Amino acid sequence: GENVEQHPSTLSVQEGDSAVIKCTYSDSASNYFPWYKQELGKRPQLIIDIRSNVGEKKDQRIAVTLNKTAKHFSLHITETQPEDSAVYFCAASEGRGLTGGGNKLTFGTGTQLKVEL
Amino acid sequence: DSGVTQTPKHLITATGQRVTLRCSPRSGDLSVYWYQQSLDQGLQFLIQYYNGEERAKGNILERFSAQQFPDLHSELNLSSLELGDSALYFCASSSDNTYGYTFGSGTRLTVV
Repeated sequence: GENVEQHPSTLSVQEGDSAVIKCTYSDSASNYFPWYKQELGKRPQLIIDIRSNVGEKKDQRIAVTLNKTAKHFSLHITETQPEDSAVYFCAASEGRGLTGGGNKLTFGTGTQLKVEL
Repeated sequence: DSGVTQTPKHLITATGQRVTLRCSPRSGDLSVYWYQQSLDQGLQFLIQYYNGEERAKGNILERFSAQQFPDLHSELNLSSLELGDSALYFCASSSDNTYGYTFGSGTRLTVV
């Protein structure tokens, strides 16, 4: 089955700096890579995702890059703000097709991001 | 409100007992997924249902079982509870039109 590794486990940055979180996956059949943000005691929320036919995707201060050859993908947050402090999870899925429910996500172990003033 | 409803929000029970966690997916979503999140741990996949049928199984203990009903709500049954079963249990749902999951707010289970 799929195995997703995530680094670093904790990341502390100064407000305004950039933060980068990296993930690797094992199953070359995986083709969908979402990122979730989880604030303390809250549910994980999807913040950005990328399909394997795209190398990069950006949404305001957040971007995700994908290298299918190396089987790794990264989350980039620019101009970090205190409200970005949370645990971030990467995930991977075979995405065997939307219909029929072939979309089990395997999650990384999470990165605790702390943005300091 | 994400549209995925989980009840109860909190549950405290004794070792050896049995509990049922309930999840109602977003309207129109056919897939329901259950994940376990222990303290300071990641999201461990337990089981997935699609339109009433089991579709994928993860590291779910034999003491745990689940089902999805015709109205698409799902229940996760945990029996012979142990202290180590204390965790946040999340349900998520997805539709046939998108790969992304929407998570519910979770049920925090405490076994004492």
